[in-house]
Amino acid sequence: QAVVTQPSSLSASPGASASLTCTLRSGINVGPYRIYWYQQKPGSPPQYLLRYKSDSDKQQGSGVPSRFSGSKDASANAGILLISGLQSEDEADYYCMVWHNNAVVFGGGTKLTVL
Amino acid sequence: QVQLVESGGGVVQPERSLRLSCAASGFTFSGYGMHWVRQAPGKGLEWVAIIWYDGSNEYYADSVKGRFTISRDNSKNTLYLQMNSLRVEDTAVYYCARDVPEGGEFDYWGQGTLVTVSS
Repeated sequence: QAVVTQPSSLSASPGASASLTCTLRSGINVGPYRIYWYQQKPGSPPQYLLRYKSDSDKQQGSGVPSRFSGSKDASANAGILLISGLQSEDEADYYCMVWHNNAVVFGGGTKLTVL
Repeated sequence: QVQLVESGGGVVQPERSLRLSCAASGFTFSGYGMHWVRQAPGKGLEWVAIIWYDGSNEYYADSVKGRFTISRDNSKNTLYLQMNSLRVEDTAVYYCARDVPEGGEFDYWGQGTLVTVSS
């Protein structure tokens, strides 16, 4: 079973909010982990958005709008990327990432469609 | 400005070797850990390897362990990935990425170089 899992797709309307989840494998507690989020558009490399561990340990990527934010849902054992005020330009693939046992693990990615 | 430029990709037969390079500029290369990340056509991101800022430690994904070697030359501001015993499933765009000290995020990525393993 993968260390982190993401839903493969999500659709939302312009102006609405989208909540993208990154669920850690059963037996791995999300609490101690920093969750990193990246956005990738077709034909381009990924771009770093933000990282979130807690409200006291979080960081926004340079130039990333504040409508992108991170959080956790401990009950779901998941990291969350919240995108508010969706715009057409937010349509992209989103990947979460964690450091686990001296290695880096990416989630499978969520394709966000804004329509 | 920070730049990472990969090179060395191409078409190669299974079981052959290839070496990728990543030329860094615009920052103090010797102060940063560096990674290789790959992306198969139409698929997601897969982390490949990391090398510490001073080259003292390396870690690999299980899928490439024993076949790939990451290295760096801080005097040339260049990162390398030596890929041996290539397999069809190694076909991907290979990106180098910079690791922010104490942060862990990959804040800069190259544009990638395509490796195609095919007979």
